[in-house]
Amino acid sequence: EIVLTQSPATLSLSPGERATLSCRASQSVSGYLAWYQQKPGQAPRLLIYDASNRATGIPTRFSGSGSGTDFTLTISSLEPEDFALYYCQQRSNWPLTFGGGTKVEIK
Amino acid sequence: QVQLQESGPGLVKPSETLSLSCTVSGGSVNGAPYYWSWIRQPPGKGLEWIGNIYYSGSTKYNPSLKSRVSISIDTSKNQFSLSLTSVTAADTALYFCARDRPNWGKDYWGQGTLVTVSS
Repeated sequence: EIVLTQSPATLSLSPGERATLSCRASQSVSGYLAWYQQKPGQAPRLLIYDASNRATGIPTRFSGSGSGTDFTLTISSLEPEDFALYYCQQRSNWPLTFGGGTKVEIK
Repeated sequence: QVQLQESGPGLVKPSETLSLSCTVSGGSVNGAPYYWSWIRQPPGKGLEWIGNIYYSGSTKYNPSLKSRVSISIDTSKNQFSLSLTSVTAADTALYFCARDRPNWGKDYWGQGTLVTVSS
């Protein structure tokens, strides 16, 4: 199975700062990577699909990039509601797999 | 607006079978193009994909659970279900159902239901 490694595990930033989250795959997933946001007590929310496409209703401050094995989720200017857990997920190969997550916390 | 709601026992004894249902409203499980998924999250841990089902009944399972898991669909009730046999404490988790939009991802999720395996 494809292993997704997310880094850093925790990102401590202030509102208004730029957040850069990384997801690395153990083998190429082409562009078939999604990003999800999860807040405490809530289900994950789809942010980005196929590496760089924003899902419906997702603010433009969220952007994704990458292909192959290296992917990045960027939040251009953190809003208070953006402090949460973020997961990447690949759909290139069965089984679908998720990364271990990056927590974006308030500094 | 599509909504999904998980239901089932919150406590299951070791070696028994975990059974959950997911009722879909605002949309139909009967028809293309969506798949219907189960995902779980052990307390304080990350997400694990369990498997999915298409309206035709075609299924895909995570090999780590394949011998114990079964997903079925009931189009007359507009719901799909998860069965996990021979559970242990390691199966204690928040179980989510979700709609899988092809070439996108899981765009609608249930709120999740906590299942604890304990005697």
